[in-house]
Amino acid sequence: AQTVTQSQPEMSVQEAETVTLSCTYDTSESDYYLFWYKQPPSRQMILVIRQEAYKQQNATENRFSVNFQKAAKSFSLKISDSQLGDAAMYFCAYRSSGTGTYKYIFGTGTRLKVLA
Amino acid sequence: DGGITQSPKYLFRKEGQNVTLSCEQNLNHDAMYWYRQDPGQGLRLIYYSQIVNDFQKGDIAEGYSVSREKKESFPLTVTSAQKNPTAFYLCASSGGQRRLPLHFGNGTRLTVT
Repeated sequence: AQTVTQSQPEMSVQEAETVTLSCTYDTSESDYYLFWYKQPPSRQMILVIRQEAYKQQNATENRFSVNFQKAAKSFSLKISDSQLGDAAMYFCAYRSSGTGTYKYIFGTGTRLKVLA
Repeated sequence: DGGITQSPKYLFRKEGQNVTLSCEQNLNHDAMYWYRQDPGQGLRLIYYSQIVNDFQKGDIAEGYSVSREKKESFPLTVTSAQKNPTAFYLCASSGGQRRLPLHFGNGTRLTVT
């Protein structure tokens, strides 16, 4: 069974600085999708970025980028120029690309604090 | 605007009572999901449904039941058999051929005393 591990329960970053959140996963599959979701205090889950395993290029969305290391099964999220609004829980998620397999598996989350 | 509506936002029940959480989506998504969120445990999958009239157990289905009679609706019943029902419950859906990505409702906080 696939698993997703986020080993950092909590991280802090100074406003305008850069922070990297770690995520590792375990799978025997070669094709899959990876996601980072943000959950602010409102508890609304928001998709931050997604990566398709067959794409070698790392995904980027404005200040958010990933470092996808397929061989190492690592999928870290880098937040540049951190803003107060980035403070939230961040969840890493995995989903198989297999037809008919639509389960999304989540890690335990990392709470990010942004210091003014 | 399309989205997922969960109601109510807060729900209180006495121990021993069944309670049903509502989830409605107007995104025309085929797949729907229920997750439970507890502090320090992330999101755990309770049930999911890929099409109408079909659903599968997730990792923590014991004490829960669902139905999928309409594409738009996927209600979750928390039964009295669920030993620790107090939690935050999130409903989600996904559509398109690849069922990507996952869209979430605003959640329901259930408190059982």
